Amino acid sequence: KAGVTQTPRYLIKTRGQQVTLSCSPISGHRSVSWYQQTPGQGLQFLFEYFSETQRNKGNFPGRFSGRQFSNSRSEMNVSTLELGDSALYLCASSLTTGTGIRNEQFFGPGTRLTVL
Amino acid sequence: AQKITQTQPGMFVQEKEAVTLDCTYDTSDQSYGLFWYKQPSSGEMIFLIYQGSYDEQNATEGRYSLNFQKARKSANLVISASQLGDSAMYFCAMREAFGNEKLTFGTGTRLTIIP
Repeated sequence: KAGVTQTPRYLIKTRGQQVTLSCSPISGHRSVSWYQQTPGQGLQFLFEYFSETQRNKGNFPGRFSGRQFSNSRSEMNVSTLELGDSALYLCASSLTTGTGIRNEQFFGPGTRLTVL
Repeated sequence: AQKITQTQPGMFVQEKEAVTLDCTYDTSDQSYGLFWYKQPSSGEMIFLIYQGSYDEQNATEGRYSLNFQKARKSANLVISASQLGDSAMYFCAMREAFGNEKLTFGTGTRLTIIP
């Protein structure tokens, strides 16, 4: 069974540009979550999508957005990039059945974004 | 609000020794889940072990075990017979119940195994 895949793996952008990152979950997984990892702030939750609906959102500005498609693939977009957006962006999928807290999240390898 | 505290920024352990990584948490929820993840230098987060707040026994997964002390709100990871491949960042994380997939992570512990 293929794991979570993220594309691209590395990305270099300049301030003011916008970027779209893609995540393909494990087959059958309907929940996709996104996290930002930086040396200063650590791992922070961005948002979670389930059945094409954003179910939960972290404390990030509106420049960060996402969506999920009918095949559960998800994209996140960052507009008007800032230097502080440089980070490892991790995507995770889970076979959530709604209320279980045991649902293990499987992470992808991440996309390393550098903003110059 | 949920909070995870990992007080050991880095640890050095001799190969084949056991090591305990500390994790304390704060939550007002009665139902929650605790997770440990390993992050090698490649960046991918690898699930290690899970403990539910209502689980009566401490979780074990191969060389990994979780020392869960609910009253003290601690969930320490124990790695037995450490190996060179265990060198990595280790994160403790918590999730509340009821359809919320959000994980709250600690700051992590960098474990280095010395040959």
